[in-house]
Amino acid sequence: AQSVTQPDIHITVSEGASLELRCNYSYGATPYLFWYVQSPGQGLQLLLKYFSGDTLVQGIKGFEAEFKRSQSSFNLRKPSVHWSDAAEYFCAVGAKEYGNKLVFGAGTILRVKS
Amino acid sequence: GAVVSQHPSRVICKSGTSVKIECRSLDFQATTMFWYRQFPKQSLMLMATSNEGSKATYEQGVEKDKFLINHASLTLSTLTVTSAHPEDSSFYICSATNRGESSTDTQYFGPGTRLTVL
Repeated sequence: AQSVTQPDIHITVSEGASLELRCNYSYGATPYLFWYVQSPGQGLQLLLKYFSGDTLVQGIKGFEAEFKRSQSSFNLRKPSVHWSDAAEYFCAVGAKEYGNKLVFGAGTILRVKS
Repeated sequence: GAVVSQHPSRVICKSGTSVKIECRSLDFQATTMFWYRQFPKQSLMLMATSNEGSKATYEQGVEKDKFLINHASLTLSTLTVTSAHPEDSSFYICSATNRGESSTDTQYFGPGTRLTVL
C-alpha cells in the first residue's frame, strides 16, 4: 500500500535558522512528489513538485527539496526561515498508475520563534 | 494562475438538513476535481474523484448516497452532504488538475469549507 511518513509532528526553529522537514514514502510505482503548505483555516498552497529530471527542485518562497530514490525520501529545506513560514507542511505522493490520486503525510507543524 | 475557489467558506446547519458546497476553477478548465475531508489536526483524506460529465469515483468507506458529487462543467463541481449529522462536521477541501498543463498531475487546492452540523 502507498504511504507517506512525516516523522516530525512539530518542529520549532528560530527565525533566520535553517529548516529541514522530512518526508519518506512507500510506493508501488514511480512517484510524483509534492510539498504543500497550509495556514490555519486555509486550503493548501503548492510549494514545489518533482516529476522527473533534476532531483533537486526549487519552489516558491525560497524552499527546495531533494528527491533521493535510494532513501525513498523527499525532504524539504529552507536556508533561512522567516516568521511568516509558520504553518503546517504536507508531503504528498501520487502516480499516474493510481489515477494521480494523492496520498498525504500527516503533516508537520512549523513554529518559528523570534 | 490556477486558482480554485470554494463557496461557502463556512456553513452551519441543523442536523438532518443538506448542505451544498461549490468548487470552481476560476482561470482554467479542470480535467479532474477531487474532494477531501480534513479532521482537526489531521491530514487530508480523499473522498472522491470526479471528471466532468462522469459519475464520481468514491474512496472505500465513503458513502456515495450521503456525499453527492456533481461535476456539471469543466469549471464547477459540487459536493452535497445529505441529511447532515454532527459527525459530518469537518473541513472539506477540493482540488483540481489543469487541463491546459502538459502534465495534469498537479492538484491545485481551494481554500476549504468549514462545515458545522448542530
